[in-house]
Amino acid sequence: KNEVEQSPQNLTAQEGEFITINCSYSVGISALHWLQQHPGGGIVSLFMLSSGKKKHGRLIATINIQEKHSSLHITASHPRDSAVYICAVGEWGTDKLIFGTGTRLQVFP
Amino acid sequence: DTAVSQTPKYLVTQMGNDKSIKCEQNLGHDTMYWYKQDSKKFLKIMFSYNNKELIINETVPNRFSPKSPDKAHLNLHINSLELGDSAVYFCASSLLPPDTQYFGPGTRLTVL
Repeated sequence: KNEVEQSPQNLTAQEGEFITINCSYSVGISALHWLQQHPGGGIVSLFMLSSGKKKHGRLIATINIQEKHSSLHITASHPRDSAVYICAVGEWGTDKLIFGTGTRLQVFP
Repeated sequence: DTAVSQTPKYLVTQMGNDKSIKCEQNLGHDTMYWYKQDSKKFLKIMFSYNNKELIINETVPNRFSPKSPDKAHLNLHINSLELGDSAVYFCASSLLPPDTQYFGPGTRLTVL
C-alpha cells in the first residue's frame, strides 16, 4: 500500500462540472503539495498547504490534518484543466516528497 | 527567462554507456532535487542537496552520482546505463524544504 493514495485514478468530466480529487496519506507530514502535470510533461506546483484551505482562481485545496486527508476542487472545469493531478506529502523530519500515483483528468467540451 | 532548466531534453543511448544530465536554477534557491518518473508516471525522489551538501540519498544504485558544483547547479551522472534506467528525470528547486518546488522540464532518457 502506498503511503499516499489518490482517488479516483481517472476522471472524465463535461466542461463546467465541479471536480473533486482526493488524497489520503499515512505518514506524518510537514506539508502537502498539489501538482499539475500537463500532457506535454511539465510539472507545476499548484498549492502547498499544512492546514486549512487555499484558493487560487477556480482551484481550491483543503487539508484535514487529523484525518490525514486533502482534497483538490476545480470549479467550472474547462478542457484546459485536462492534466494529471499529483498529490505529494513532505515527510515529517526528512521533508522528502512522497508522491501519490496521480489522477488523470479529462474535461470534454 | 527559464527558472529551472535541464539539458538535454532527450537522451537516447546504448546500454553500458555513461551519461550526464545538467540542471541549473536561477531562482536563488538553496535546495535542489532529482526525481525519477517511471513508465507508469510514478514520481520518486532520488537525491536532494542543500547549498551543495547532500541531504537526501534514496535507495539509488551507486551508478547514479549527483554533483553540485555550486548551489545553482545540480548535475546527475549515470554510469553503466541499464534498460531499467529509461525514465523521465526531473530536476527541481526550492528555497528550503518543505517550500514550494519548481520543476525543470524533464529529461527523457531512453536506454537501448
